[in-house]
Amino acid sequence: KAGVTQTPRYLIKTRGQQVTLSCSPISGHRSVSWYQQTPGQGLQFLFEYFSETQRNKGNFPGRFSGRQFSNSRSEMNVSTLELGDSALYLCASSLVVNANTGELFFGEGSRLTVL
Amino acid sequence: TQLLEQSPQFLSIQEGENLTVYCNSSSVFSSLQWYRQEPGEGPVLLVTVVTGGEVKKLKRLTFQFGDARKDSSLHITAAQPGDTGLYLCAGANYGQNFVFGPGTRLSVLP
Repeated sequence: KAGVTQTPRYLIKTRGQQVTLSCSPISGHRSVSWYQQTPGQGLQFLFEYFSETQRNKGNFPGRFSGRQFSNSRSEMNVSTLELGDSALYLCASSLVVNANTGELFFGEGSRLTVL
Repeated sequence: TQLLEQSPQFLSIQEGENLTVYCNSSSVFSSLQWYRQEPGEGPVLLVTVVTGGEVKKLKRLTFQFGDARKDSSLHITAAQPGDTGLYLCAGANYGQNFVFGPGTRLSVLP
């Protein structure tokens, strides 16, 4: 069974640019969550999608957006990049949505560096 | 905003030693999970605890959920180099997404 696939694995951008990250969940998983991981802040929740609908959103500015497609694949976009956006962006899929005992299956992440 | 604190932040021990790491919050959680993250990989779930006072064992790892469901501990017996990694706790309440702690970075030296 294939795991969660995130692309690209590494990317370098400059301030002001935008970036799109992709996540393919485990087959059959309809819930996809995105997290930002930095050394100082740890894992911070960005948003969660289920059946193409955003169910929850974390405390990030509007420059961070996402969407989910009918095949459950998800993308997140960050516009007008800032140096502080440099981080590991992790995608996690789950069989259950909003269930407090569901297991999150994480991808290996997309490491973004903003210069 | 529910916050989770973890201690210690860093821990370096010799193979064979025992250790305990802690996860604390002022908030009550309906469930708490522990994940381990190795370099270059995403976190992997180790355990989920849902009942106050619950103790779960996974080989040499023992997890406990506090009676008040505000804290948890992870005890590793006879640590091995393969236990090296970032240990993350995550708490959730019904209808809400998981909140992660900052993690404890464990290094087990051979």
